Amino acid sequence: GAVVSQHPSRVICKSGTSVKIECRSLDFQATTMFWYRQFPKQSLMLMATSNEGSKATYEQGVEKDKFLINHASLTLSTLTVTSAHPEDSSFYICSARGRGRYQPQHFGDGTRLSIL
Amino acid sequence: GNSVTQMEGPVTLSEEAFLTINCTYTATGYPSLFWYVQYPGEGLQLLLKATKADDKGSNKGFEATYRKETTSFHLEKGSVQVSDSAVYFCALSGSGGSNYKLTFGKGTLLTVNP
Repeated sequence: GAVVSQHPSRVICKSGTSVKIECRSLDFQATTMFWYRQFPKQSLMLMATSNEGSKATYEQGVEKDKFLINHASLTLSTLTVTSAHPEDSSFYICSARGRGRYQPQHFGDGTRLSIL
Repeated sequence: GNSVTQMEGPVTLSEEAFLTINCTYTATGYPSLFWYVQYPGEGLQLLLKATKADDKGSNKGFEATYRKETTSFHLEKGSVQVSDSAVYFCALSGSGGSNYKLTFGKGTLLTVNP
């Protein structure tokens, strides 16, 4: 089945550091990728949607200068959390879908980000 | 807008019990419907899907039928196992202009005891 690889799985870093998270579709072309944030015991909150070669579309309330998204190829999207602070600590999950109306989203295993 | 309402948990069952997790939705047009499962510390895995009315999605003993008349997509399994313990999310996807965004329910935590 479709596989999405997300890396790293866990990051611990100091406040003020920028952190990059990668999301790769391993066996299909991901025309659209999504980035989510999940708080403990809650559902997923969509942060942004990116189409290959286009600028990301951010959901209301998500700071685009804080969360930089790049989707430069059909198999890779990156999320960079710039100048991270403790309140950015969370579980970040990416997903990817291929071309076609009924294609589901396939999810990565998530990245646990902890800012000290 | 689109919305998904699913049964609040937690749900605790004994092994081999019957499972139902209710899910109803509100959407315009003809959404696709999904059940995803999340094991602790992991991302979501697609469990099953249905793309049109009366479709039945099935996988690993789980089933759900797309009921347009009741706007429901209830998840069922005849005999649960300890390994089924996880959080289950019902979701729907619009089409075209919505960029196929997923709208999730709040999730239902299932615990299966031996």
